[in-house]
Amino acid sequence: SAVISQKPSRDICQRGTSLTIQCQVDSQVTMMFWYRQQPGQSLTLIATANQGSEATYESGFVIDKFPISRPNLTFSTLTVSNMSPEDSSIYLCSVADGYEQYFGPGTRLTVT
Amino acid sequence: QKEVEQNSGPLSVPEGAIASLNCTYSDRGSQSFFWYRQYSGKSPELIMFIYSNGDKEDGRFTAQLNKASQYVSLLIRDSQPSDSATYLCAVNSDSSYKLIFGSGTRLLVRP
Repeated sequence: SAVISQKPSRDICQRGTSLTIQCQVDSQVTMMFWYRQQPGQSLTLIATANQGSEATYESGFVIDKFPISRPNLTFSTLTVSNMSPEDSSIYLCSVADGYEQYFGPGTRLTVT
Repeated sequence: QKEVEQNSGPLSVPEGAIASLNCTYSDRGSQSFFWYRQYSGKSPELIMFIYSNGDKEDGRFTAQLNKASQYVSLLIRDSQPSDSATYLCAVNSDSSYKLIFGSGTRLLVRP
């Protein structure tokens, strides 16, 4: 399976600021996704990161709040903009390899 | 709205027993079904997936799918304390590879 890395692994940020999370894969993949896992909750899909075009966002998530870049088939970024304490979560990228989907180690974000 | 339901647990079993984890889903068009294990503070780890009715076995794990009943389960044989984790059921309902996750079942295996 693909090896996925994320940076940073964790961060503490002040409200009103923005944080960009990077996701790097060791092989080219077509499908990349960004998920959020709020404390004590399950995973919720934020968006599909499309290479060379705008991301496809799920209901309740908007580009102004969560801009996503996908410049090539091995890399993507998610920005959490104008953060509030409600954005405190673990953010995970994932990649699809055939039927199977694998997750990166996650970025634990705390907003104070 | 497409939903995936799991009992939150905790499900407590003694070491060596069979742990049975269950999941139901609302969308009859669902095509693929996944079980992930998540240790506290870690990201989800894919255990296995199934897309045809019946059983699929991989080592100590068996996934069972019944599309008529919209039900998928995971059996863990010879449970070990290291199996203690939260098990997430996920469903793919279309060809986009998007996954809808259940809330997870916490499993505790007592030594």
